[in-house]
Amino acid sequence: GQQLNQSPQSMFIQEGEDVSMNCTSSSIFNTWLWYKLEPGEGPVLLIALYKAGELTSNGRLTAQFGITRKDSFLNISASIPSDVGIYFCAGQAFLKSNSGYALNFGKGTSLLVTP
Amino acid sequence: ETGVTQTPRHLVMGMTNKKSLKCEQHLGHNAMYWYKQSAKKPLELMFVYSLEERVENNSVPSRFSPECPNSSHLFLHLHTLQPEDSALYLCASSQERDRGYTFGSGTRLTVV
Repeated sequence: GQQLNQSPQSMFIQEGEDVSMNCTSSSIFNTWLWYKLEPGEGPVLLIALYKAGELTSNGRLTAQFGITRKDSFLNISASIPSDVGIYFCAGQAFLKSNSGYALNFGKGTSLLVTP
Repeated sequence: ETGVTQTPRHLVMGMTNKKSLKCEQHLGHNAMYWYKQSAKKPLELMFVYSLEERVENNSVPSRFSPECPNSSHLFLHLHTLQPEDSALYLCASSQERDRGYTFGSGTRLTVV
């Protein structure tokens, strides 16, 4: 599938700091999603973006779908210890079988927050 | 109760064993997926089922065999696995194949 380049790979920050991570791709996506993976749990959807240029917030989280449809960023403001986890971007891609769509994921950004 | 339930949560199996992973969704979705997450790799799509019909097999070895008996249940049958198959196996479902997925908590598989 299409490759998503997610950066940074990891972040180690203090509580209260703002965080920014992004994903880029050489391919165009119709939908961009941000997930969080916590230890022992499956990915949880944080924000879904469906239109190029769309800027969406979910509490302290803000994400934007790039105007070219090839990139997206996720910002977390005023981080807290429970923000710890691995954040994944995912782009909706057309299946090889031409029978619909599936999600391709970035490698993830591991976030550690110290009190 | 999460909308997508996976069992078991953890599984240790030998290379000659046969085991099955189970996924059940209570959301009325019409598509289900198996993903594999290995350390330091992106989530990899394995299989896609839409309306109980397999529509995608993403070049997965035959030692992994999926089964979707109805729209609420998805299985992944495992046999003669290799140690490199150790990973987190995630099930997901969606209402339409172009919308965000709901994931289960995954099965942490260790092949010894």
